[in-house]
Amino acid sequence: ELKVEQNPLFLSMQEGKNYTIYCNYSTTSDRLYWYRQDPGKSLESLFVLLSNGAVKQEGRLMASLDTKARLSTLHITAAVHDLSATYFCAVVDSGGGADGLTFGKGTHLIIQP
Amino acid sequence: EPEVTQTPSHQVTQMGQEVILRCVPISNHLYFYWYRQILGQKVEFLVSFYNNEISEKSEIFDDQFSVERPDGSNFTLKIRSTKLEDSAMYFCASRTSGVLRNTIYFGEGSWLTVV
Repeated sequence: ELKVEQNPLFLSMQEGKNYTIYCNYSTTSDRLYWYRQDPGKSLESLFVLLSNGAVKQEGRLMASLDTKARLSTLHITAAVHDLSATYFCAVVDSGGGADGLTFGKGTHLIIQP
Repeated sequence: EPEVTQTPSHQVTQMGQEVILRCVPISNHLYFYWYRQILGQKVEFLVSFYNNEISEKSEIFDDQFSVERPDGSNFTLKIRSTKLEDSAMYFCASRTSGVLRNTIYFGEGSWLTVV
């Protein structure tokens, strides 16, 4: 059974600081997703990472993937209040032709002025 | 930007009643999904649907649940005899094939409250 673990689950940080969210998964995967969710809202796609060493950046967010370590990171640079949200990573189990996403528990991020 | 639309946005139903949640996926998409999120918890996969049949389902998706694509545009999730623990946000999602196949679009969700 595919397990996806995120840490930390809760993060309170100040504006201007840098921080990293970690996502570990337990089996081989060929797709890793990062989503943002605001309270009561849908899931906004941030990044799709498809290969070992993949790095993608959008604004103050940068995601990377190490398939050998089964680890993805989401790095926040010089955080601003607008980035406060819950961030989920999600993985597809590449064995057996599965297509559904397995999500981590999410990282609830609060950025304080 | 194209979007997945869901109705209703919120439904309150009595325990034991049947509920149908509706979704209109993006028009050229071929793969459809339902996920649910119990309040404060992670998002859980329910079912995927392709070529008019279920391609994968989770342990959550038991006989109480069914999906259907009744016409060329709608994709529905039916929950028979709802239980209190079915209260959750239900998300529909879709994706295409080909070059853009790895981007999965989620709808705004349908809040289901079972009382």
